[in-house]
Amino acid sequence: DARVTQTPRDKVTEMGQEVTMRCQPILGHNTVFWYRQTMMQGLELLAYFRNRAPLDDSGMPKDRFSAEMPDATLATLKIQPSEPRDSAVYFCASGGTGGLTEAFFGQGTRLTVV
Amino acid sequence: QKEVEQNSGPLSVPEGAIASLNCTYSDRVSQSFFWYRQYSGKSPELIMSIYSNGDKEDGRFTAQLNKASQYVSLLIRDSQPSDSATYLCAVNDQGAQKLVFGQGTRLTINP
Repeated sequence: DARVTQTPRDKVTEMGQEVTMRCQPILGHNTVFWYRQTMMQGLELLAYFRNRAPLDDSGMPKDRFSAEMPDATLATLKIQPSEPRDSAVYFCASGGTGGLTEAFFGQGTRLTVV
Repeated sequence: QKEVEQNSGPLSVPEGAIASLNCTYSDRVSQSFFWYRQYSGKSPELIMSIYSNGDKEDGRFTAQLNKASQYVSLLIRDSQPSDSATYLCAVNDQGAQKLVFGQGTRLTINP
């Protein structure tokens, strides 16, 4: 069935290490969003892509976060170096074209930086 | 900054009653509105979409939209304990082509 797939589901890493999260959007969807969710901040939009091109990444800390879409079936979010304040659940969501589109979320990656 | 506002709750409703969740938005030109349900430890799940003024019903759920008042709501009839979750309102930002989410309302249905 059609779903957004994220890997890994859980990640525990030490401060300073590189973390890479991956997302496979729903086949045919051309918009991919990366969100971060914490208890304090709620759901924050980090970056999003349309047709693999970045539309906006102003929600990301530029010095340590990067997001890419190497092809239509893969989006990546990388943190280097990771810090304890990056601990959160990171969601990928995908949607179709047009202004009316809804977004469908993956299961999320729970990141813990110790 | 385009905003979506929700009462964070918690909202407690007895089982079998109607739960009413409200959302206001700042972008007057928004055309698409969504309600997501998020269980604790899970990802947001789309449960309703609404694009036109008025009511849209799907089972026990009714979404209501009033564009003049920039207000969208979700009614849950015959509330069940399984409806206990956080409900997120999302509005499409036409210009930026992205969804703007509210902070969510935590709903608890008491048996």
